[in-house]
Amino acid sequence: QQQVKQSPQSLIVQKGGISIINCAYENTAFDYFPWYQQFPGKGPALLIAIRPDVSEKKEGRFTISFNKSAKQFSLHIMDSQPGDSATYFCAACLSYGGNQFYFGTGTSLTVIP
Amino acid sequence: EPEVTQTPSHQVTQMGQEVILRCVPISNHLYFYWYRQILGQKVEFLVSFYNNEISEKSEIFDDQFSVERPDGSNFTLKIRSTKLEDSAMYFCARRGTVRGNEQFFGPGTRLTVL
Repeated sequence: QQQVKQSPQSLIVQKGGISIINCAYENTAFDYFPWYQQFPGKGPALLIAIRPDVSEKKEGRFTISFNKSAKQFSLHIMDSQPGDSATYFCAACLSYGGNQFYFGTGTSLTVIP
Repeated sequence: EPEVTQTPSHQVTQMGQEVILRCVPISNHLYFYWYRQILGQKVEFLVSFYNNEISEKSEIFDDQFSVERPDGSNFTLKIRSTKLEDSAMYFCARRGTVRGNEQFFGPGTRLTVL
């Protein structure tokens, strides 16, 4: 019940296109949903996060769409750039208690010029 | 946001040896986490540590693992008797604020067990 399922495993997008990565969760008590970007050999970097009381959050070219009834959330990267090529992880957590993150399996994004 | 630094960046050890991985906060944070990432796999939670006590731990965090903050500054993860399957990247993270949920990750330590 604590799993977070992420798809696709890999994604290739043309420069300027839209990258879409999807995640689904089971535990309805989760109340914080971040996305992380990871470059090879580096630690995950917080990109954007959302709480279930809103359906969408936008920061620059990055947007999270959240569907509470479907228990799904997605990351949209608008105007994708080669510099966006990285692995993206979604996560979910309970904001009380230990606040451990449950990560998805990751999506390797390649943006081709 | 300032993050944490981790030392060493790479640790190679023989199976059965003890290793200590260190996390150094930039400022005086109270809430820390250890995660690991086996090559090519997802990031997995190990343990959270608040105010010098373990707050929560996962099934991975068995008796071979321990955490402490020996000098009030550095935050360490000790693996008592390493196994081949302990080979992974180990990330320290700090919580953004006591009431917030953001976690900021360090650059990681690559542990290789031979």
